[in-house]
Amino acid sequence: AQSVTQLGSHVSVSEGALVLLRCNYSSSVPPYLFWYVQYPNQGLQLLLKYTSAATLVKGINGFEAEFKKSETSFHLTKPSAHMSDAAEYFCAVSESSGGSNYKLTFGKGTLLTVNP
Amino acid sequence: GAGVSQSPSNKVTEKGKDVELRCDPISGHTALYWYRQSLGQGLEFLIYFQGNSAPDKSGLPSDRFSAERTGGSVSTLTIQRTQQEDSAVYLCASSWTSLYEQYFGPGTRLTVT
Repeated sequence: AQSVTQLGSHVSVSEGALVLLRCNYSSSVPPYLFWYVQYPNQGLQLLLKYTSAATLVKGINGFEAEFKKSETSFHLTKPSAHMSDAAEYFCAVSESSGGSNYKLTFGKGTLLTVNP
Repeated sequence: GAGVSQSPSNKVTEKGKDVELRCDPISGHTALYWYRQSLGQGLEFLIYFQGNSAPDKSGLPSDRFSAERTGGSVSTLTIQRTQQEDSAVYLCASSWTSLYEQYFGPGTRLTVT
């Protein structure tokens, strides 16, 4: 069974500082990996995804993530935080093969606070 | 274009009552998903519909939960004899097929009193 661990339920950064949100996965084969963002009282929006092409994935709003098989990690970064980045971020995994690649398994989420 | 819509946005019900939650997917999307978001369990997969295929119900937590998708479009999630532990935000998502990005609706917040 697959699982995702997000280290740190709450991360606080200053505006303009580096954002680093950590995600580690557990899977018997390299999976597909996703980062979603959720603003208050809204649904989830896809930031970026890894589907076995380039290991460095660029997403929307200046975010990027790097797939590191040796570390089973898919950490999300942004060089300079903006106030509008304050939200909850979810890492998710799905199978890359077999018949259940639609089924997302989510981490517990990381709440990002950006301080002025 | 219109995104995924869900209704109602909020639902308060008494323990033991039945509730129906509705999801209108993006037009043309053949895949539809239901997830549950709760404080204790986080985001959990509930059920998946793809075209006319049999749905994957493996995430439904008990037989009090059921869902249908009529005409390959609108879906209804029904919870019978609601319990307090059913209180959560129920999210619906849709995609062109299972291989494509899932677009999420704003959710229905269910509170069981």
